[in-house]
Amino acid sequence: KAGVTQTPRYLIKTRGQQVTLSCSPISGHRSVSWYQQTPGQGLQFLFEYFSETQRNKGNFPGRFSGRQFSNSRSEMNVSTLELGDSALYLCASSSGQGLLQDDSPLHFGNGTRLTVT
Amino acid sequence: AQSVTQLDSQVPVFEEAPVELRCNYSSSVSVYLFWYVQYPNQGLQLLLKYLSGSTLVKGINGFEAEFNKSQTSFHLRKPSVHISDTAEYFCAVTRGNTGRRALTFGSGTRLQVQP
Repeated sequence: KAGVTQTPRYLIKTRGQQVTLSCSPISGHRSVSWYQQTPGQGLQFLFEYFSETQRNKGNFPGRFSGRQFSNSRSEMNVSTLELGDSALYLCASSSGQGLLQDDSPLHFGNGTRLTVT
Repeated sequence: AQSVTQLDSQVPVFEEAPVELRCNYSSSVSVYLFWYVQYPNQGLQLLLKYLSGSTLVKGINGFEAEFNKSQTSFHLRKPSVHISDTAEYFCAVTRGNTGRRALTFGSGTRLQVQP
């Protein structure tokens, strides 16, 4: 079974631009979560989607948004990029039903490394 | 709010020696605890998790962890490490009512296994 696939692997953008990152979950997984990893702040939860609906959201500004398609693939968008948005963005999928109590484990992709100059 | 403290940023150890990676958490409500491992240029892989039941949890690759509610700790142990265990290890916590996929991670511990 193929794992979680994130594209692209590396991305370089200029401050003020916007960027879209893509995540294809493991086949059959309907829940997709996004995390940001930086040296300063560590790993932080961005949001979670299930059946095209955002189910949970972390403490990030509105410049960070996402969506999920009917095939469970997800995209994350960051508008008006800032230097501090440089990070490894990790996507994770799980086989749960999107309930808060669902303890299905997260399966992480290898991430997209975004550099903002 | 919950938080996770990993007390050591780096732990050097010789091959075949035992290792303990320390993790303390703070939360006013019941929590669920996880350990993840991240190899260079890769995503995170779940090592083990504690949701309820036995406080000693066994995971993959010979790792185990013990949940200690009175000391609010969830330390990770391995009796004999291998060179291939060199990686960064993250302790994470979540509460049931905020979603078990909205994890709060510690800052990570880099395990360096030397020959």
